[in-house]
Amino acid sequence: DAGVTQSPTHLIKTRGQHVTLRCSPISGHKSVSWYQQVLGQGPQFIFQYYEKEERGRGNFPDRFSARQFPNYSSELNVNALLLGDSALYLCASGPQGIVNTEAFFGQGTRLTVV
Amino acid sequence: TQLLEQSPQFLSIQEGENLTVYCNSSSVFSSLQWYRQEPGEGPVLLVTVVTGGEVKKLKRLTFQFGDARKDSSLHITAAQPGDTGLYLCAGAQSRNDYKLSFGAGTTVTVRA
Repeated sequence: DAGVTQSPTHLIKTRGQHVTLRCSPISGHKSVSWYQQVLGQGPQFIFQYYEKEERGRGNFPDRFSARQFPNYSSELNVNALLLGDSALYLCASGPQGIVNTEAFFGQGTRLTVV
Repeated sequence: TQLLEQSPQFLSIQEGENLTVYCNSSSVFSSLQWYRQEPGEGPVLLVTVVTGGEVKKLKRLTFQFGDARKDSSLHITAAQPGDTGLYLCAGAQSRNDYKLSFGAGTTVTVRA
C-alpha cells in the first residue's frame, strides 16, 4: 500500500512568490494535517482538514491557506513568501478527524525561499 | 514557548551504550507519541502511550508515560548506529484533539 505522498519533494522560490504543495493521503484516510518544521525544531501545526472541512488552524498568518478535495487529497498554499517560510512542510493523514495512534507522515516538501 | 520540552537536545554515544531521552511538560496530555525522523524524511511513529504509568517495549526501546501524564521517557538499550536520528515526542491534550504538539526533538548519534 502506498503511504502518504507529497509533491514536490524540493522547491526553491523567490521572496514574494506563492507556492502550492500537494499531499495524497493513504487510501481510506479522510483526514489530512499540515505541519511546518523549521530546521532544528519540531513540527508546528498549520491546518487539519477532515471530510473536506477545516477542523483546525494553527498560529499562522492568512498567507497560509489549504483545501481538501473530494478524493481527500489536499493542497497547502502560501502567498507572498518570506525567507522565514523556508522549512520542511509535512503532511499527515489519518482515518479520523481526531488525533489517534494512526497518523502517518509523508516524506515532506523542502521549501527554500531565496 | 513549546508545550513539550525535550532533553537533552543532542546525545552522542558509542555503539552498545544505553541512552535515555526525556519529554516533559507542565500540561496534562491525553496521549503521547514518540517518532524517529531521519534527515530529509518525515517522522515515523514508534509508539503511542495513553495511560498514566504505562510502559511499552519495542525490542530495545522502552517507553514510559508518567503517572500524571505530563512527561515521558524513551530508553534505548545497547544502542546501534541504526538508532541514529531525531527523536520527537508529540502529544494530544484531549481525546478529541485534532492536532499534535511536538517537542523540539533530541538528535541522537550512535558511533560505531
